[in-house]
Amino acid sequence: EAEVAQSPRYKITEKSQAVAFWCDPISGHATLYWYRQILGQGPELLVQFQDESVVDDSQLPKDRFSAERLKGVDSTLKIQPAELGDSAMYLCASSRGAVNTEAFFGQGTRLTVV
Amino acid sequence: AQRVTQPEKLLSVFKGAPVELKCNYSYSGSPELFWYVQYSRQRLQLLLRHISRESIKGFTADLNKGETSFHLKKPFAQEEDSAMYYCALSGTGGGNKLTFGTGTQLKVEL
Repeated sequence: EAEVAQSPRYKITEKSQAVAFWCDPISGHATLYWYRQILGQGPELLVQFQDESVVDDSQLPKDRFSAERLKGVDSTLKIQPAELGDSAMYLCASSRGAVNTEAFFGQGTRLTVV
Repeated sequence: AQRVTQPEKLLSVFKGAPVELKCNYSYSGSPELFWYVQYSRQRLQLLLRHISRESIKGFTADLNKGETSFHLKKPFAQEEDSAMYYCALSGTGGGNKLTFGTGTQLKVEL
């Protein structure tokens, strides 16, 4: 069964350092999402891609976060510099289309900033 | 703005008892509502969506537009139902963007 792959599973980084997360969506899925889940809360959308284009990054803190999906397949989310408040689970999801299709989630990357 | 409220952080029931996980939403248009579930050490997965009108693993959820609610129900809880449940909303034209509630941890006790 095809799954969304994310790496690393866990990441500990020091404040002010750069950190990057990688996501490989299910093959054929045009839409890719990055969510952030702070402990005790539900996931919150950071950025949504349709193929290689960003369609929604309204909640992405653009002063320190960046995301790319250069070939419209896998994606990287970067934080530079990391802050203590960035400690969270970062979830990637993908769906076949942008409307009325199920989103499949990866296992997530748990980031701890110390 | 769209918002999803799950008032209970934890719901504890005995095996065989009925379960109702509450979800209320705020959205000005016609939303699509979902329930996602996360079992221990597993990834978040879709349980059911209101447009499908299905019963999945014995769970059902009815969209009540008058009360802006989408409560998840099961008549007889099973031990394997213990998990974290998230209600989520996708707005029309929202491009599948999901707004999640804070989640309810369901614990089914023997």
